[in-house]
Amino acid sequence: DAGVTQSPTHLIKTRGQQVTLRCSPKSGHDTVSWYQQALGQGPQFIFQYYEEEERQRGNFPDRFSGHQFPNYSSELNVNALLLGDSALYLCASSLDLMNTEAFFGQGTRLTVV
Amino acid sequence: GIQVEQSPPDLILQEGANSTLRCNFSDSVNNLQWFHQNPWGQLINLFYIPSGTKQNGRLSATTVATERYSLLYISSSQTTDSGVYFCAVPNSGGGADGLTFGKGTHLIIQP
Repeated sequence: DAGVTQSPTHLIKTRGQQVTLRCSPKSGHDTVSWYQQALGQGPQFIFQYYEEEERQRGNFPDRFSGHQFPNYSSELNVNALLLGDSALYLCASSLDLMNTEAFFGQGTRLTVV
Repeated sequence: GIQVEQSPPDLILQEGANSTLRCNFSDSVNNLQWFHQNPWGQLINLFYIPSGTKQNGRLSATTVATERYSLLYISSSQTTDSGVYFCAVPNSGGGADGLTFGKGTHLIIQP
């Protein structure tokens, strides 16, 4: 049983560019959430997707957007990258909206130069 | 929103020692998770523990929901226990929420 998988594992982008990160949830899970973890901090909630819709959103600007596909996989898009967007981006999946135990992928480390 | 505080922020122990990590939260929650983040960034699930006590090998956790805290116990520490330990609760306390994390406890186990 594959766990949560994310791609790519590492990424280097230039300030002002756009980036897309991808996540496949754990088998049988239909709810996906994204988190940003800056160095030395705990993960911060970006948004959550269920039934292909954004259900909840944390305190992140509109430059951060997402998508969920019919197979429950998800993408995180960040436009107009800033140096401060450099972080570890984590994807989590849970069984459904009522079962909130979250399982995380290995993350994508984004560096903006 | 809900606040989560973890203590201590840093802990250095010798191999074989026992440790207690604490997580306080500011509002009622209907679940709580403990994670171990390894050096590569992966968050490993340790416990999903809304209340009561659970044990898994050398690790155990207790959540006292009415007093808004949880404790993670590590016994007979090994060097592989090193890393950052996070607790997390639902953003609004329950339901289908994203998680609010504490800042973590950075544990170093020396041989």
